[in-house]
Amino acid sequence: GAVVSQHPSWVICKSGTSVKIECRSLDFQATTMFWYRQFPKQSLMLMATSNEGSKATYEQGVEKDKFLINHASLTLSTLTVTSAHPEDSSFYICSARHPGTDGYTFGSGTRLTVV
Amino acid sequence: LAKTTQPISMDSYEGQEVNITCSHNNIATNDYITWYQQFPSQGPRFIIQGYKTKVTNEVASLFIPADRKSSTLSLPRVSLSDTAVYYCLVGESGSARQLTFGSGTQLTVLP
Repeated sequence: GAVVSQHPSWVICKSGTSVKIECRSLDFQATTMFWYRQFPKQSLMLMATSNEGSKATYEQGVEKDKFLINHASLTLSTLTVTSAHPEDSSFYICSARHPGTDGYTFGSGTRLTVV
Repeated sequence: LAKTTQPISMDSYEGQEVNITCSHNNIATNDYITWYQQFPSQGPRFIIQGYKTKVTNEVASLFIPADRKSSTLSLPRVSLSDTAVYYCLVGESGSARQLTFGSGTQLTVLP
């Protein structure tokens, strides 16, 4: 079946540094991928839509200069959290859709802790 | 934008059938209904998707009445491992709206 691999599964970084999270579609090509953020005991919040070969589309209230998205190939999208602060600590999840299937496949998520 | 409303939580016992209902009064003609399951610290997992009437797969059934203003996810004979948050999403296939998550339902299966 469709597999979306997300790396790393967890990361701890210092305030002010940048962190890159990778999302790969392992057995299919994904022209579009989606990035989410989830705080404890809350639902997933869609941050942005990543489009291969073009700029990402960000949801209202999400700072595009802080959350840099790059979708350079049909199987890889990256989310870079720049100048991270403790309030950016969260669970980040990506998703993509396998052509011809129902629903979306989600990555296993990345737990970001900024200290 | 079709907003969804689900119960915040439900409890059940092992071996019972569980039905989780989702209301989506403003569902549009092109919208599909999709359910996902999420365990703590994991990404959501697709369960089932439907447009109307009834859909069944190896893990669940989805019942959608004719007016499509609600839907019911049915989990047969739940086990402890079915304890998770279940999300109902409504949106047009392939659109970002289809991936707008509501608050979800925390299902707790008791022994």
